[in-house]
Amino acid sequence: SYDLIQPLSVSVALGQTARITCGGYNIGSKNVNWYQQKPGQAPVLVIHRNLNRPSGIPERFAGSNSGNTATLTVSRAQGGDEADYYCQVWDSSTGAFGGGVFGGGTKLTVL
Amino acid sequence: EVQLVQSGAEVKKPGESLMISCQGSGYTFTSYWIAWVRQMPGKGLEWMGIIFPGDSDIRYSPSFQGQVTFSADKSINSAYLQWSSLKTSDTAMYYCARPRSGSFADAFDIWGQGTMVTVST
Repeated sequence: SYDLIQPLSVSVALGQTARITCGGYNIGSKNVNWYQQKPGQAPVLVIHRNLNRPSGIPERFAGSNSGNTATLTVSRAQGGDEADYYCQVWDSSTGAFGGGVFGGGTKLTVL
Repeated sequence: EVQLVQSGAEVKKPGESLMISCQGSGYTFTSYWIAWVRQMPGKGLEWMGIIFPGDSDIRYSPSFQGQVTFSADKSINSAYLQWSSLKTSDTAMYYCARPRSGSFADAFDIWGQGTMVTVST
């Protein structure tokens, strides 16, 4: 199976830049998606296919992916950005069909 | 508006059966896959598998194969997740989610509100 490794927590000062990493073997060859989940709510897609923002997601959210690490960057962090963030890929190496894989999630705290 | 609406919270005893639902609206239900995602209390997201309502093609994660059953009724735009004999370890929030495009491998841009399943004696 394919493993995605995320830090358990990341802290950032209000207005500063947070970077959340997602590690996986040769993850740069895959499309990485990022989801934001606030307490008691369903996940929300914030980045798809490595760097694309869905409609309605602020430009402060950016994604990159290279080598063995994908990164979600949250610029000018706001209190409303406090949430759990999950990376996700499609692992085509799992059987003939493959399967979805989520990282363990990172709690972003804005200080 | 494109949306997925899930059935309400359930409280069950171990050994009981259960089926929860996910109804799509605002789009052509038979043209998009529906995935099921588990979130145990205080834990992360787990991909359970995916179903294509158009022809009921189903793919289970190896971790969930044999533990749950997916189905769909395209006449009422609904997908289902079923257990034949619940365990206390099935206690979790269950989400259905739809990929952005017709590809099963695309990102999930539409999520249901979740169905909380509690299994307790």
